[in-house]
Amino acid sequence: QKEVEQDPGPLSVPEGAIVSLNCTYSNSAFQYFMWYRQYSRKGPELLMYTYSSGNKEDGRFTAQVDKSSKYISLFIRDSQPSDSATYLCAMNTGTASKLTFGTGTRLQVTL
Amino acid sequence: DARVTQTPRHKVTEMGQEVTMRCQPILGHNTVFWYRQTMMQGLELLAYFRNRAPLDDSGMPKDRFSAEMPDATLATLKIQPSEPRDSAVYFCASGARTTDTQYFGPGTRLTVL
Repeated sequence: QKEVEQDPGPLSVPEGAIVSLNCTYSNSAFQYFMWYRQYSRKGPELLMYTYSSGNKEDGRFTAQVDKSSKYISLFIRDSQPSDSATYLCAMNTGTASKLTFGTGTRLQVTL
Repeated sequence: DARVTQTPRHKVTEMGQEVTMRCQPILGHNTVFWYRQTMMQGLELLAYFRNRAPLDDSGMPKDRFSAEMPDATLATLKIQPSEPRDSAVYFCASGARTTDTQYFGPGTRLTVL
């Protein structure tokens, strides 16, 4: 079993929908949680960064961390075709900078 | 606009040839990572450096892969000899602090025939 599990999708939604992307993890030492967005043939770009449990909002994006359930989520409101990409969750323990990534969820937002 | 740069962007080579990939981290970042991405395995950490010293290269096949940081502005990943199974996209990322986030370069797409 992988340390971080993420449904690969693909997930297809109509423009304007609310999107929910999720990851589960097994290592209770993870403290820092990130979401990266990767467009086709590009490098991952940092989207959201949170520490420990709680919510963080940035425009149309909200990241949630529930450490008791070892579950993190990324919500996208009013989804746009430009949001079509692969979304990777990533996390680390804070004691070293090594990140553990999920395999990524491919999202397609249709007109 | 600070970015991680990688060269070459694309590389096609024949099995058995040496491949060298280069990365210039963001100025001031002291941690550099090498990742490999394939459809089957996703993103895998190969090695990483802090202050130019290797911290972890356990993800790297030691017999054919080597990673170095000759100076603070250059990291290299070398494969010798290359094999078809090395075909992947290789990303370099840099970060500023132990718990800080990582910023990725555009990647080197390697095809070994």
